[in-house]
Formats: sequence, structure tokens, C-alpha cells
Amino acid sequence: KAGVTQTPRYLIKTRGQQVTLSCSPISGHRSVSWYQQTPGQGLQFLFEYFSETQRNKGNFPGRFSGRQFSNSRSEMNVSTLELGDSALYLCASSLSNYGYTFGSGTRLTVV
Amino acid sequence: EDQVTQSPEALRLQEGESSSLNCSYTVSGLRGLFWYRQDPGKGPEFLFTLYSAGEEKEKERLKATLTKKESFLHITAPKPEDSATYLCAVQAVTQGGSEKLVFGKGTKLTVNP
Repeated sequence: KAGVTQTPRYLIKTRGQQVTLSCSPISGHRSVSWYQQTPGQGLQFLFEYFSETQRNKGNFPGRFSGRQFSNSRSEMNVSTLELGDSALYLCASSLSNYGYTFGSGTRLTVV
Repeated sequence: EDQVTQSPEALRLQEGESSSLNCSYTVSGLRGLFWYRQDPGKGPEFLFTLYSAGEEKEKERLKATLTKKESFLHITAPKPEDSATYLCAVQAVTQGGSEKLVFGKGTKLTVNP
């Protein structure tokens, strides 16, 4: 059974650019959540999508956005990148709200 | 505000030296408490879910317990391969009625041979 797949694994971007990250959930999982992980703040919730609808959003600026497609794949976008956006971005999929499986993450470095 | 605090931040053990990691939480309506293991450069790997006070779960050298205010992850006779960061998370209900995970900052465990 395939796990949660995140692409790309690594990204280097310049300040001011935008970036799109992709997440393919486990087959049959309709909920996809995104988290940002940094050494100082740990894992912080970005947003959750369920059946193409954003159900919840964390305390991040509007530069962070996402969407979910009809096949449950999800993308998150960060516009006007800042140095502080450098982090490991993790995606988690869930069949119900009682189990979350994480992908390996996308390591974003902003220079 | 929902909060999760893990202690200690870092723990060094000798192989075979048992110990416990602590996770204390404040959440409005606990739906579940999760323990994850995370290796460097990888995503968190699921270990346990606990739902109610008094519940215990075991897996190999790990045992998780839950009270109304905190959870413990007991590590018995650890091996070097148990070295990792252990994350605790609570499942919190949002204002909109959906749910999200609130994570602690983790305990970095190092087991020396």
C-alpha cells in the first residue's frame, strides 16, 4: 500500500519567488493536512482540506494557500517567499480523523 | 488555547537504561493523543493513539500511557536504533468543528551503545 507522497523532496528558491508543493494522499483518504516544521517552532498547522474544501486554517499569512483536487491530491502555494519560510513542509492524510499518516516532506530553502 | 508541552527537550541514555518522556497538554475536549517518532530529514512515523485516561498501549520497547493531564512514553531497555525525536500531538476541535493536530516540540532521544 503506497504511503503519502510529497514532491519535490528539496527546493531552493529566491526571496520574492513563489513555490508550489504537491501531496498525494493514501488511496481512499479524503482529508489532507499541511504542516510547517522549523527548529524553533516545531510542527505548526497550516490548513486542512476534505473533499476539495478547506475545512480549517492555521495562523499563517495569506501568502500561504492551498487546494485539493477531485482525486484528493493537494497542493500548497507560498507566494512572495521570505527567508523565514525556509522549513520542512509536511503533508498528512487521513481516512477519518482518528489516524494521520505523514509524508516525508518537502525541504524548502529560501535564499 | 490548546497547548502541548514535552519534556525533557533532549535526553541521552545508555543502551539498556530505561526512562520516560513526558507530554502535558491543555485542550478543550481531547479527541485523541498521538505519539510519533521522527528521524532526521523524514516525516513523523505513527506510534500510538490514546483516547481516554487510563489507556495504555505497547509496541516492542515502547509503552504509552494517558492521564487527564498528561501522557508518558516509557522506553524499556532502549537500543541505539531507538534514537530519534519523539513527538506528542493532541487532536483538538477547531471553532469550525473540524479537527487538527497540535504538536509539542518533541524530545530528542539519543541512545549510546
